[in-house]
Amino acid sequence: DTGVSQDPRHKITKRGQNVTFRCDPISEHNRLYWYRQTLGQGPEFLTYFQNEAQLEKSRLLSDRFSAERPKGSFSTLEIQRTEQGDSAMYLCASSSGLNQPQHFGDGTRLSIL
Amino acid sequence: GQNIDQPTEMTATEGAIVQINCTYQTSGFNGLFWYQQHAGEAPTFLSYNVLDGLEEKGRFSSFLSRSKGYSYLLLKELQMKDSASYLCAVKDSGGYQKVTFGTGTKLQVIP
Repeated sequence: DTGVSQDPRHKITKRGQNVTFRCDPISEHNRLYWYRQTLGQGPEFLTYFQNEAQLEKSRLLSDRFSAERPKGSFSTLEIQRTEQGDSAMYLCASSSGLNQPQHFGDGTRLSIL
Repeated sequence: GQNIDQPTEMTATEGAIVQINCTYQTSGFNGLFWYQQHAGEAPTFLSYNVLDGLEEKGRFSSFLSRSKGYSYLLLKELQMKDSASYLCAVKDSGGYQKVTFGTGTKLQVIP
């Protein structure tokens, strides 16, 4: 069990650019979650996958955001035309079942200049 | 939806006991998690309560009362490394059982 892995750890980009983050969950976990966290707040749910199916999306996820999990293993989160308000920590978590805890990766910290 | 309340900050002394409270109002409930998060790091799982009562795990214990919409995390024999944010998170009962996090309680342990 190598834990949830996220890449990159940090991303600095100019406003208007597109960015893509990757998450590799714990290998036997079929459930994968994306969250966004800003300073002093708890993680806010963005989207959820069970295997390759995206089953839930938050209203926070505007149409500039898209997430995929093509083979039911790793996932990517893309933000198009980034805005200042997108600056946050983007956390990925995975779990093995409904009543199992979510295990978090170290996150990708996005800074928009 | 879910509404979760927990104190923003707490301070406690090394070696002491501290209780961090969490209250919630939910449209459906199927369990409550506590996570620890050190600054700049990922949340790490501490406990999960789905039935009323106390769950003990080493120096940490978590209590749940579903009828009161109330939980607490009890930390005993506080150590300096326990300085962190403690996140209360509630799991929905419907659909895929979405987890909603509170804003967290920042605990500072002082010598």
